[in-house]
Amino acid sequence: NAGVTQTPKFQVLKTGQSMTLQCAQDMNHEYMSWYRQDPGMGLRLIHYSVGAGITDQGEVPNGYNVSRSTTEDFPLRLLSAAPSQTSVYFCASSRLGLAKADTQYFGPGTRLTVL
Amino acid sequence: AQSVTQPDIHITVSEGASLELRCNYSYGATPYLFWYVQSPGQGLQLLLKYFSGDTLVQGIKGFEAEFKRSQSSFNLRKPSVHWSDAAEYFCAVGLPGGYQKVTFGTGTKLQVIP
Repeated sequence: NAGVTQTPKFQVLKTGQSMTLQCAQDMNHEYMSWYRQDPGMGLRLIHYSVGAGITDQGEVPNGYNVSRSTTEDFPLRLLSAAPSQTSVYFCASSRLGLAKADTQYFGPGTRLTVL
Repeated sequence: AQSVTQPDIHITVSEGASLELRCNYSYGATPYLFWYVQSPGQGLQLLLKYFSGDTLVQGIKGFEAEFKRSQSSFNLRKPSVHWSDAAEYFCAVGLPGGYQKVTFGTGTKLQVIP
């Protein structure tokens, strides 16, 4: 199993550009999430999904879109990048979800810089 | 809303010494509690979790944590630290029944000196 994979590892964007951060898992997990990590702020939940076709907003969803067409993939879209979106982005998955205190498996992260 | 506090931003210990990382939470009922470790340039890895039962929880890599309801704490401990334990540690709180309601602390960076 590759676990949770994320691409790209690094990305530099100019303000106003759009891009998609890719996340895939091969563990057949229903639950997937996107977090951003900023210095001194821990991880904050952006969006999450409880299964294919079902997504919902987390704590900091503004400026980001998600969709979940398959169980394996959960891409995060930045429609018009802003410097405030400079961060490290982590994707995570779990089989049962945190409602059952299930373990989340994290990807290696994508470091995004918006100029 | 729930919150979690890690009062120590940075801790330095000598290799072989004992370690305790503090975590306090604020929530009206008993939440789910997690400790994660993040090595430089890596994602987070779960060390241990508490959701019910025995308040002393054993985890991977020789770590343990104790849930103390009266103190709203879930401190992480290790009796003898190894150089490879140098990393950042995050406490997290989740609410039963609410998948999206997980809150991470701001992290404690552990430095291990020989």
